[in-house]
Amino acid sequence: AQRVTQPEKLLSVFKGAPVELKCNYSYSGSPELFWYVQYSRQRLQLLLRHISRESIKGFTADLNKGETSFHLKKPFAQEEDSAMYYCALSESNFGNEKLTFGTGTRLTIIP
Amino acid sequence: GAVVSQHPSRVICKSGTSVKIECRSLDFQATTMFWYRQFPKKSLMLMATSNEGSKATYEQGVEKDKFLINHASLTLSTLTVTSAHPEDSSFYICSARDWRTGGTEAFFGQGTRLTVV
Repeated sequence: AQRVTQPEKLLSVFKGAPVELKCNYSYSGSPELFWYVQYSRQRLQLLLRHISRESIKGFTADLNKGETSFHLKKPFAQEEDSAMYYCALSESNFGNEKLTFGTGTRLTIIP
Repeated sequence: GAVVSQHPSRVICKSGTSVKIECRSLDFQATTMFWYRQFPKKSLMLMATSNEGSKATYEQGVEKDKFLINHASLTLSTLTVTSAHPEDSSFYICSARDWRTGGTEAFFGQGTRLTVV
């Protein structure tokens, strides 16, 4: 069975400092990995997906199959980045595959 | 992006009664919707996959008779918590994928806070 681990429940970073939110997964096949974000009083929304290899709001994430990791990074944190971040895994993008979520990391940016 | 709407956003019910939560895809059709439950300070746990026109697929440990799911149309799925008890109090969230844009992104409802007293 697939599993997603986010070791940090809370992370505080000063504004302008680099941010790294850790995510590790276990899955025997080739998974699709995502980062979802939930800002205060808003619904959960997609931040980025590994297949797109894109940078969203300055965030990037690289899938490392050797280390089974998908860490989320941003070089310079901004106050508006404060939110709850969830790493998620899907078995594939073909068909209506379910998402398995990590426990989430609450990121707080200190002004 | 696509919009998924849940109703109600909050509900308080008495122990032993049933509560229905609606999940609608407002601007797209969804043959499949997902129902999650979120415990305080914990992750989203998938409860079941709702399939339009057929039976829902429940995750291990989720009681089918307790959490009734109906997906009667391409834009509406409902979750009914039957004979609710205080331990059913939780935050329930639904999601769906919009296949018009490739289906790689899941869109989430705003969630329903259920309190059983």
